[in-house]
Amino acid sequence: EVQLVESGGGLVQPGRSLRLSCAASGFSFDDFAMHWVRQAPGKGLEWVSGISWNSDNRAYADAIKGRFTISRDNAKNSLYLQMNSLRAEDTALYYCGKEHCTGTHCHVALDYWGQGTLVTVSS
Amino acid sequence: QSALTQPPSASGSPGQSVTISCTGTSSDVGGYNSVSWYQQHPGKAPQLLIYEVTKRPSGVPDRFSGSKSGNTASLTVSGLQAEDEAAYYCSSYGGRNNWVFGGGTELTVL
Repeated sequence: EVQLVESGGGLVQPGRSLRLSCAASGFSFDDFAMHWVRQAPGKGLEWVSGISWNSDNRAYADAIKGRFTISRDNAKNSLYLQMNSLRAEDTALYYCGKEHCTGTHCHVALDYWGQGTLVTVSS
Repeated sequence: QSALTQPPSASGSPGQSVTISCTGTSSDVGGYNSVSWYQQHPGKAPQLLIYEVTKRPSGVPDRFSGSKSGNTASLTVSGLQAEDEAAYYCSSYGGRNNWVFGGGTELTVL
C-alpha cells in the first residue's frame, strides 16, 4: 500500500525557517518524481515544487522561488522542502504527492497524496 | 503562473449530470494535453479523477469524464450521487516545468 506521511510543520515566526519531510513507502520511491502542493486555510490547491526521480530537475512556483528548496534522499525514501524567509502568506497545509505514471510514461498528475502537515507563519 | 479559472460553485440533483469548466490560456490548458482533475472531500487529501484530459486512473468510476476545447477543459459528472458532493480542482502543465491549479469548484448535490 502506497503511503506518504508528511511531518515538520508547526508555528513559526515570519522570516524564520522550517524543513518539511515526506516519508514514502509501498512503492519504488526512486522511480518517481515527487511534488509539494499547499492549501491555505479555506482556499484552493497551489502547486509549490517538484523534483525528478534523480534530483536532476527541480521546479518551483514563482511565489516561493529563491526561498524554498526541494530535495530528496532515495536511500531514505524521503522528500524534503526547506522553507526559508517564511511569510504569513506561506501559511497552509502542505501535501506531498507522487507523480502518476503508466508503464514508463509519466503524467502531469499526482495519484497519491499524504494527509498534509500544517505550517502556520505568525508572530 | 496565474491560477486557472473555475466557477466557484456548481450543483445538480441526484441522477443528473453536471459539467465544471476550467479556463486557462494557450500557455497552459490550450498548449498541452496535460489537464488533470481532482476531487477533495472536506478534511481529506485530493484524489485523482482524470489525467491527460480524458483518462481515468483505475478505480475511478466512468461517471467521471474529461474533455478539452481550446483553452478550456471540462469535467462532467454523470449520474450524480450524494457522495459526489465535494470540491473539484483542475490542474495543467504550465510550461517551464511548472504546474498550475484552478481555484476549485464546490459541487453541491441537491
